[in-house]
Amino acid sequence: RKEVEQDPGPFNVPEGATVAFNCTYSNSASQSFFWYRQDCRKEPKLLMSVYSSGNEDGRFTAQLNRASQYISLLIRDSKLSDSATYLCVVMNTGFQKLVFGTGTRLLVSP
Amino acid sequence: DAGVTQSPTHLIKTRGQQVTLRCSPKSGHDTVSWYQQALGQGPQFIFQYYEEEERQRGNFPDRFSGHQFPNYSSELNVNALLLGDSALYLCASSFQGIMNTEAFFGQGTRLTVV
Repeated sequence: RKEVEQDPGPFNVPEGATVAFNCTYSNSASQSFFWYRQDCRKEPKLLMSVYSSGNEDGRFTAQLNRASQYISLLIRDSKLSDSATYLCVVMNTGFQKLVFGTGTRLLVSP
Repeated sequence: DAGVTQSPTHLIKTRGQQVTLRCSPKSGHDTVSWYQQALGQGPQFIFQYYEEEERQRGNFPDRFSGHQFPNYSSELNVNALLLGDSALYLCASSFQGIMNTEAFFGQGTRLTVV
């Protein structure tokens, strides 16, 4: 079983739609959680950190459920520029090692 | 302020050859981690360097080795290349002194083994 699991998609949505991605992690000792965005053939870039209380950044909302070991990302009012792969990432205590999911591909169409 | 820089950006090697990839961390960062990203997969942790020592290692064979220099830059070496080593190799830098610090990635080196 992979330490971080995501639905690879692709998710095909029209502009303006709301889309949600989910992710589960297996290591209960994981301490930090992130969503990264990766455009085709580019490096991953931090989209947002994820906190237990939930956090929002514009059209993006992230939630963490430690009891269920579940992380989510909600994108509202999708834009064409949101088309990318979204990587769910956890960091365990001690070292700054990032554990990535496979990524979920999002395609936003006009 | 230059971000994380990697060289070369692309590389083609033959099976059995050896390759060295280079990474310069973001200014002020002291920790360098290397990741391998195969097509359609998320990045996989190879190892991490801090204070010129390998601190942690992922599930990669000894053919993968590295080094960190006093200026915090780093090299990744892969010996006896296999076709399966073809991937995007990413370097990420961070600062050890801050908990949950953001890791910044370089643009990667795309290695093709033929």
